[in-house]
Amino acid sequence: DTGVSQDPRHKITKRGQNVTFRCDPISEHNRLYWYRQTLGQGPEFLTYFQNEAQLEKSRLLSDRFSAERPKGSFSTLEIQRTEQGDSAMYLCASSADGYNSPLHFGNGTRLTVT
Amino acid sequence: RKEVEQDPGPFNVPEGATVAFNCTYSNSASQSFFWYRQDCRKEPKLLMSVYSSGNEDGRFTAQLNRASQYISLLIRDSKLSDSATYLCVVTPGGGYQKVTFGIGTKLQVIP
Repeated sequence: DTGVSQDPRHKITKRGQNVTFRCDPISEHNRLYWYRQTLGQGPEFLTYFQNEAQLEKSRLLSDRFSAERPKGSFSTLEIQRTEQGDSAMYLCASSADGYNSPLHFGNGTRLTVT
Repeated sequence: RKEVEQDPGPFNVPEGATVAFNCTYSNSASQSFFWYRQDCRKEPKLLMSVYSSGNEDGRFTAQLNRASQYISLLIRDSKLSDSATYLCVVTPGGGYQKVTFGIGTKLQVIP
């Protein structure tokens, strides 16, 4: 399968714990995006990488959130000291270069903070 | 004003009906536009890109109106399987890459 893959699919954690999610983009895609989606809302932009460089980060992302893409391939999203409000679907997407390149999404990681 | 605005619906239409959704965007410099489909608790999937001249893919037609800053999606001969949420997506220009999604419009096709 050459699509975007995310791991884990589901994560249940207690408030205050740290969690880390992984995303493996389509191999030839240089661009990688993280989004968060809650019920009844569209995907909300979190951050964007061009190769290994994190070029944009949403103001909505607090200091508890950090994302990396160390070798320009897979990416990780870490949430420290989780809060109940962090419960959401975390979606990763990748795209080729070019302004008309669509995003291809992974299945997402569903986070539940209890 | 939100960057991308959509009517969340729901739109309840009978099978065979024609239904249209609009989406407005605030950034006049936006370069690329797409429609995505999202089924319940699944990831968004690309339905179609939206080109300046308008484009059609089977029962689906997408149009762009740059002057009024909106895009539209028309679905003809609705099928039960078309029931989903349709997300409007806008990419800004100028090397800025924050790809923005609308809230989505929920469509329910009724037998």
